[in-house]
Amino acid sequence: SQKIEQNSEALNIQEGKTATLTCNYTNYSPAYLQWYRQDPGRGPVFLLLIRENEKEKRKERLKVTFDTTLKQSLFHITASQPADSATYLCALGGNTGFQKLVFGTGTRLLVSP
Amino acid sequence: GAVVSQHPSRVICKSGTSVKIECRSLDFQATTMFWYRQFPKQSLMLMATSNEGSKATYEQGVEKDKFLINHASLTLSTLTVTSAHPEDSSFYICSAPDHTEAFFGQGTRLTVV
Repeated sequence: SQKIEQNSEALNIQEGKTATLTCNYTNYSPAYLQWYRQDPGRGPVFLLLIRENEKEKRKERLKVTFDTTLKQSLFHITASQPADSATYLCALGGNTGFQKLVFGTGTRLLVSP
Repeated sequence: GAVVSQHPSRVICKSGTSVKIECRSLDFQATTMFWYRQFPKQSLMLMATSNEGSKATYEQGVEKDKFLINHASLTLSTLTVTSAHPEDSSFYICSAPDHTEAFFGQGTRLTVV
């Protein structure tokens, strides 16, 4: 069955460092992968989309890589800030309709001042 | 960006009663909306796909008679949890896709007592 794995343990880093979150998947060939931010008690907010034919995407302090051979995406936040503290979800789409997403469980990021 | 408004944000109901949750796309038309459920520290699980003007498509294991979905206009989808039980207590989130991005509502915290 399809499986999307994100590190369930919280990632604690110091302000100013680069945070790197991992998303691994099995039994899936997504056309694209998305990253979302979710704050407690709120709905997810879209951050970045990367397609299967793209290796890397950047947006301000965010960088996403997508390796379809390893079936892995890495999500980086450079110069992290306490305001970046949240849960980050990866989502895969494209197999059963372009906009139908399958979500990972998310990784909680805690950035200390 | 596009805005999806979900209402109510929190609701407490008695066991056996029904609860309606509304999801509106405020500045774009959504022929398709998705309804998710999220239990604590778990991933968003897709419950159903709401299609304007036609029947909703339910994911495997989701009871269509219990979770009634109506998508009567291009900007409004509703989810009614009928005969709610404590095990239905969860965080319900709707989303509406706009091109390659999914916009999420704020979520509804349902507590059945």
